[in-house]
Amino acid sequence: QLQLQESGPGLVKPSETLSLTCAVSGGSIDRTTYYWGWIRQPPGKGLEWIGSIYYSGTTYDNPSLNSRLTISVDKSKNQFSLKLSSVTAADTAVYYCARHSYSTPVDSWGQGTLVTVSS
Amino acid sequence: QPVLTQPSPASASLGSSVKLTCTLSSGYINHIIAWHQQQPGKAPRYLMKIEGSGRYNKGSGVPDRFSGSSFGADRYLTISNLQSEDEADYYCETWDNTRVFGGGTKLTVL
Repeated sequence: QLQLQESGPGLVKPSETLSLTCAVSGGSIDRTTYYWGWIRQPPGKGLEWIGSIYYSGTTYDNPSLNSRLTISVDKSKNQFSLKLSSVTAADTAVYYCARHSYSTPVDSWGQGTLVTVSS
Repeated sequence: QPVLTQPSPASASLGSSVKLTCTLSSGYINHIIAWHQQQPGKAPRYLMKIEGSGRYNKGSGVPDRFSGSSFGADRYLTISNLQSEDEADYYCETWDNTRVFGGGTKLTVL
């Protein structure tokens, strides 16, 4: 059974870079069918798609974030990562990693990790 | 890009049925959508995807009480025989060259 597990600092200072990793187990990240994505949820609010990556390194992302965003994949470790630069308090959220195909819905979610942006 | 609209909140009595709505914006009324359930304090869970024809496919382990349907730009999630554990936020999702979520419906089971 596929499992996704987010990890990274729970507290980031304003203007710094938020970095998270998603470890994938129970399946290979280089299966040709799937994209691996990041979705966030500010406290008390709804879901916002951040961006997704294919095992080859092809990415697509939310235009509102793409100037600050880097998503990468490490096939040797079966994991993928998110970097969001120049963070502000508005980036405080629970960050989820997820799996989907290009034209199908998210069908697996990680448990989520809370990242707070504060000095 | 598509926009998804979900009314909120919603409520229904234990053991009854409820029908939640997700409306696609103009120009996207034939899009497939998905429903996700988020119980309090938990990660979302994929429930099903629904085509414009009304055909739906459920995720693994989703109870038979959950079903989907469609009419025009609207996609529906119907929950029958409501249980206390169905009290949750329900989000719809669709995709184009980007991915979009609706604002969510908070369902209270009375």
